[in-house]
Amino acid sequence: DTAVSQTPKYLVTQMGNDKSIKCEQNLGHDTMYWYKQDSKKFLKIMFSYNNKELIINETVPNRFSPKSPDKAHLNLHINSLELGDSAVYFCASSQSRGRAFFGQGTRLTVV
Amino acid sequence: GESVGLHLPTLSVQEGDNSIINCAYSNSASDYFIWYKQESGKGPQFIIDIRSNMDKRQGQRVTVLLNKTVKHLSLQIAATQPGDSAVYFCAENKDGDYKLSFGAGTTVTVRA
Repeated sequence: DTAVSQTPKYLVTQMGNDKSIKCEQNLGHDTMYWYKQDSKKFLKIMFSYNNKELIINETVPNRFSPKSPDKAHLNLHINSLELGDSAVYFCASSQSRGRAFFGQGTRLTVV
Repeated sequence: GESVGLHLPTLSVQEGDNSIINCAYSNSASDYFIWYKQESGKGPQFIIDIRSNMDKRQGQRVTVLLNKTVKHLSLQIAATQPGDSAVYFCAENKDGDYKLSFGAGTTVTVRA
């Protein structure tokens, strides 16, 4: 069983479109995250949720809206996609501030 | 802002040799550190972690050393194998923070 799964794995879309990435964890963790990895492999936190509550919003444009319907899910919706949004997006989860487990990533390409 | 960084972007190692990957951090309030391995097309995978009340921790073929005096973290891999080829990240967590701050990563290439 995959611990942290996100879909889709690849996403190619045109500028201006709206898209969503889904994430689910079956580890029973109370904290979930979205990270963005740029072309230079640098990983940067975007959002952090603890028990479905937004804890961290790291200066992300408000075109990005996370939603946590329950502790096992954290989805990422992106409006009006821009070329600069092209990156790999990783979902992760942890128990409180402990070790974070990462999904396989979603490679988003905006054309 | 404060961040965790790695000293070298690339490291080439002969198969069978030991590897040492270094990381410097600047946030003295950080109390938890993790090393991750990321293979091509995959997400970061946990290797080993250490809390600030320790200065050394060993796993299977890996050892993490923490020097709080100079804010330095290192990962030692014994008898490096081809499967160890990947990008390695150190990450820090500050007490009270619900996030990991990552360094830029070191790409390790193992030569046969």
